[in-house]
Amino acid sequence: AQSVAQPEDQVNVAEGNPLTVKCTYSVSGNPYLFWYVQYPNRGLQFLLKYITGDNLVKGSYGFEAEFNKSQTSFHLKKPSALVSDSALYFCAVRDKEPKSTFGDGTTLTVKP
Amino acid sequence: GAVVSQHPSWVICKSGTSVKIECRSLDFQATTMFWYRQFPKQSLMLMATSNEGSKATYEQGVEKDKFLINHASLTLSTLTVTSAHPEDSSFYICSAADRGSYNEQFFGPGTRLTVL
Repeated sequence: AQSVAQPEDQVNVAEGNPLTVKCTYSVSGNPYLFWYVQYPNRGLQFLLKYITGDNLVKGSYGFEAEFNKSQTSFHLKKPSALVSDSALYFCAVRDKEPKSTFGDGTTLTVKP
Repeated sequence: GAVVSQHPSWVICKSGTSVKIECRSLDFQATTMFWYRQFPKQSLMLMATSNEGSKATYEQGVEKDKFLINHASLTLSTLTVTSAHPEDSSFYICSAADRGSYNEQFFGPGTRLTVL
């Protein structure tokens, strides 16, 4: 069985400050890890993924995430938050099969 | 990147009617598609996995006679909500897995269903 935990329902940061959205996972086999962002009444937009290779993955809109195998974590980060980054963020994990498991989501609010 | 479309993007219907939602992979072949349901400010709940040419696999608690899924081709899957009721109102999202890209899932924009 595979699972994802996003321990924070809500993350609040000030514009210009760094942000971190946490994600830990459990999966048998090698993990395929993903971050998605969702704006109100919209589908999921892909941000970045880790399949293999460098542990630090860079994605869209200046986001990055670091795969940490020992801590089974894949936290999403951005050096300088923008108000427009405010949205709902989902972490997802799967193995080589296509069926993904999603976290419960973290609402990011960036205040001016 | 790969594109998945959904149609319609929103639909309002009367209680007791049936509604069909289409999910298409526009530039790749998807042997596997997924249907999710999402309540406001909640995570995606997987309803079923749809494989081309075979019956869909439904998650526990999802009524297969109410949510009919057909995956007739490698680029099209449909979800039909039969005899819809107000409690079926939700945001429905499909995704398609691209075998040529590590089975990566690409998501449609979602369909907002409101049942009056």
